[in-house]
Amino acid sequence: DTGVSQDPRHKITKRGQNVTFRCDPISEHNRLYWYRQTLGQGPEFLTYFQNEAQLEKSRLLSDRFSAERPKGSFSTLEIQRTEQGDSAMYLCASSSNTGTHNEKLFFGSGTQLSVL
Amino acid sequence: AQSVTQLGSHVSVSEGALVLLRCNYSSSVPPYLFWYVQYPNQGLQLLLKYTSAATLVKGINGFEAEFKKSETSFHLTKPSAHMSDAAEYFCAVRNQGGKLIFGQGTELSVKP
Repeated sequence: DTGVSQDPRHKITKRGQNVTFRCDPISEHNRLYWYRQTLGQGPEFLTYFQNEAQLEKSRLLSDRFSAERPKGSFSTLEIQRTEQGDSAMYLCASSSNTGTHNEKLFFGSGTQLSVL
Repeated sequence: AQSVTQLGSHVSVSEGALVLLRCNYSSSVPPYLFWYVQYPNQGLQLLLKYTSAATLVKGINGFEAEFKKSETSFHLTKPSAHMSDAAEYFCAVRNQGGKLIFGQGTELSVKP
């Protein structure tokens, strides 16, 4: 069990560019979440997958954002035409025992995005 | 809709002093409540969770939290602070869809 890994750890980009982040969940975890965290705030839910199905998307997720989990394992989060307001830490989490009180989320270290 | 409110964005204590981080929740159904800790440049780590089995919940690193329905509170405590406890702490509630809804966080500083 290597934990949830996210790549890259840091990304600096210019406004208007596209960026893509990757999350590798803990092996065999069927649920995968994306959260966004800005300075001084708690994580905000963006979207989640149950296996390869994207079950819910937050209203925070504009049409410039897209997430995929094609084989039910790793996931990617793409932001098109980045804006300065997209600067944040993007966190990924995975879990098993979903839907039970034993569900436990394991978080990755996040990808810190800076849009110049 | 479920939500949590953390009172105090920054708490400072002396090493060896009591740690008290406050969290109040809002929920129309019996809540599942959590405390997470985030150390610099690291992901969130679960400290403890309340799932209605017992009102006093013990977690890792000597932390515990008490669920008080009458006060809609789930405050986090530790009898004696260590320097290594300095971090950001987040209270969270699981909503009916299964998502975690986080509070704004409380930064804990520990003075020597």
